[in-house]
Amino acid sequence: EAQVTQNPRYLITVTGKKLTVTCSQNMNHEYMSWYRQDPGLGLRQIYYSMNVEVTDKGDVPEGYKVSRKEKRNFPLILESPSPNQTSLYFCASSERADTQYFGPGTRLTVL
Amino acid sequence: EDKVVQSPLSLVVHEGDTVTLNCSYEVTNFRSLLWYKQEKKAPTFLFMLTSSGIEKKSGRLSSILDKKELFSILNITATQTGDSAIYLCAALYNNNDMRFGAGTRLTVKP
Repeated sequence: EAQVTQNPRYLITVTGKKLTVTCSQNMNHEYMSWYRQDPGLGLRQIYYSMNVEVTDKGDVPEGYKVSRKEKRNFPLILESPSPNQTSLYFCASSERADTQYFGPGTRLTVL
Repeated sequence: EDKVVQSPLSLVVHEGDTVTLNCSYEVTNFRSLLWYKQEKKAPTFLFMLTSSGIEKKSGRLSSILDKKELFSILNITATQTGDSAIYLCAALYNNNDMRFGAGTRLTVKP
């Protein structure tokens, strides 16, 4: 089954404790992207990647890091999470950058 | 500043009504306009529009793009309670930047 998976689905953590949210797709897509969704603000792009070892900043990259060492994986790293990073995070992938398939979401709470 | 604006933000209708959702955009080097439906989980793809004036249709949903006036509309005819969701539009622009609007929350009452 074609899918995008994210882990964990829910996470409560404390300020400053490094965390990684994993994202994996099994569709051999070249394009992957991370978004955060906050009430009233819609989806905002954090980072995206056009291919292995190629990443670009989106609208809100501050406080986040990504890596693309393999085509199927695109982890999101928060080196020192802060409460303003409490949000719902979505990973997405597509063959090109258009019709993206979204993962189930990760709800992150930073205390 | 690149932006995508959706209206209305919220809409309540009754089953059988027809609704029109609006999406205007101002982005650099526009490439495509996309519509997604988000229920209680991840957004799911509805339409991608690249050319002006060509209607895309899927069942009771249809969408069209006006690249001169920089907007798109999503129409839903004969609405059903299952159409209740947040509808998101997004502009793909520049190299591969994607900007979403804040969404329109549609509630369809029986």
